[in-house]
Amino acid sequence: DQQVKQNSPSLSVQEGRISILNCDYTNSMFDYFLWYKKYPAEGPTFLISISSIKDKNEDGRFTVFLNKSAKHLSLHIVPSQPGDSAVYFCAALTGANNLFFGTGTRLTVIP
Amino acid sequence: DTGVSQDPRHKITKRGQNVTFRCDPISEHNRLYWYRQTLGQGPEFLTYFQNEAQLEKSRLLSDRFSAERPKGSFSTLEIQRTEQGDSAMYLCASSFSQGHSPLHFGNGTRLTVT
Repeated sequence: DQQVKQNSPSLSVQEGRISILNCDYTNSMFDYFLWYKKYPAEGPTFLISISSIKDKNEDGRFTVFLNKSAKHLSLHIVPSQPGDSAVYFCAALTGANNLFFGTGTRLTVIP
Repeated sequence: DTGVSQDPRHKITKRGQNVTFRCDPISEHNRLYWYRQTLGQGPEFLTYFQNEAQLEKSRLLSDRFSAERPKGSFSTLEIQRTEQGDSAMYLCASSFSQGHSPLHFGNGTRLTVT
């Protein structure tokens, strides 16, 4: 049972434009959400997070939006850069500190 | 480099053999996690430690798997009588225990069971 879903396996965006990566979840007990970026042959790298008491968190070019009623979150990257090309994982956490990951979205930023 | 370190990076073994992986977490972190990732999937939780205590185990962790963190620092994950279905990337992560703290991952150990 996949509790965190990333329905788009891949996304291509022109350099300088906005990248929007989406994530849906089913468990209403999740109270903390994270995005990780993964390059080949490396472990996932923490990117940005958001608590369930907020609806937006911004860090430089990265913004995460949370819509609790829709059980949906998204990651916006603007402007997109070729170095952003990677697989992005959405993850969700309950108080038990067990991270549930989505299946990932491969972002390709075209120069 | 003060990140999470995993050894070895790659392991090829024959079915039925035992393998052991090691993880050295970020030194200030008292939580340590093991995850497994297969092709096309996100990482799946296996187990986690707070200091030397193993506090949670996934049902994915069959009785052939055992993890230890004897002194609350490094951890080992052993797989006995390996099966081809154990082939995966095994990821270790660590974090602080206060509140919700992001997990910091190592680069993983890729296991191939032939």
